[in-house]
Amino acid sequence: GENVEQHPSTLSVQEGDSAVIKCTYSDSASNYFPWYKQELGKRPQLIIDIRSNVGEKKDQRIAVTLNKTAKHFSLHITETQPEDSAVYFCAASIYGGSQGNLIFGKGTKLSVKP
Amino acid sequence: DTEVTQTPKHLVMGMTNKKSLKCEQHMGHRAMYWYKQKAKKPPELMFVYSYEKLSINESVPSRFSPECPNSSLLNLHLHALQPEDSALYLCASSQAPGTSWYGQYFGPGTRLTVT
Repeated sequence: GENVEQHPSTLSVQEGDSAVIKCTYSDSASNYFPWYKQELGKRPQLIIDIRSNVGEKKDQRIAVTLNKTAKHFSLHITETQPEDSAVYFCAASIYGGSQGNLIFGKGTKLSVKP
Repeated sequence: DTEVTQTPKHLVMGMTNKKSLKCEQHMGHRAMYWYKQKAKKPPELMFVYSYEKLSINESVPSRFSPECPNSSLLNLHLHALQPEDSALYLCASSQAPGTSWYGQYFGPGTRLTVT
């Protein structure tokens, strides 16, 4: 089955710096890769996702890149702000597959220091 | 973002109690999910309903019993739980697998404590 590895487990940056979180997946059939942000005590919130037919997607300060050959994808946050502090989870699944279940990475705790 | 709602927010129950968690979505989605999340861990899939039919049961103990009365509602019935079942229980919904799009959207969760 699919396995998703996520690094680093913790990341501390200064406000205004960029943050990068990386994930690798094992199943070459996976073709849908969402990212979730979870603030303490709150629900996971879908912040961006990418399908395997594109290599990069941007939404304001957030971008995701995908390298299908290497089977890894990354979340890039530019101009970080204290409110970006949260745990970020990457996930992989087979878009259009019969089950739709997400396989999550173990999470990255991002701390943005003012 | 309140399009997936869950009740109650918090629940404390004894090991002999029977209780139910409820989830409702108003996005017209046809797939709904129950996840269990322990502190500092990712969500762990428990059940998937697709078009109101159970399509995945991830080897969950029988003390957890899901029910999908209609396409908008999802219940999780709890009976004879153990203290290790204490966790955040998250509901999610998406357009059904096999359709053109299925980002999963989570509810706020029920914080369950088993005493």
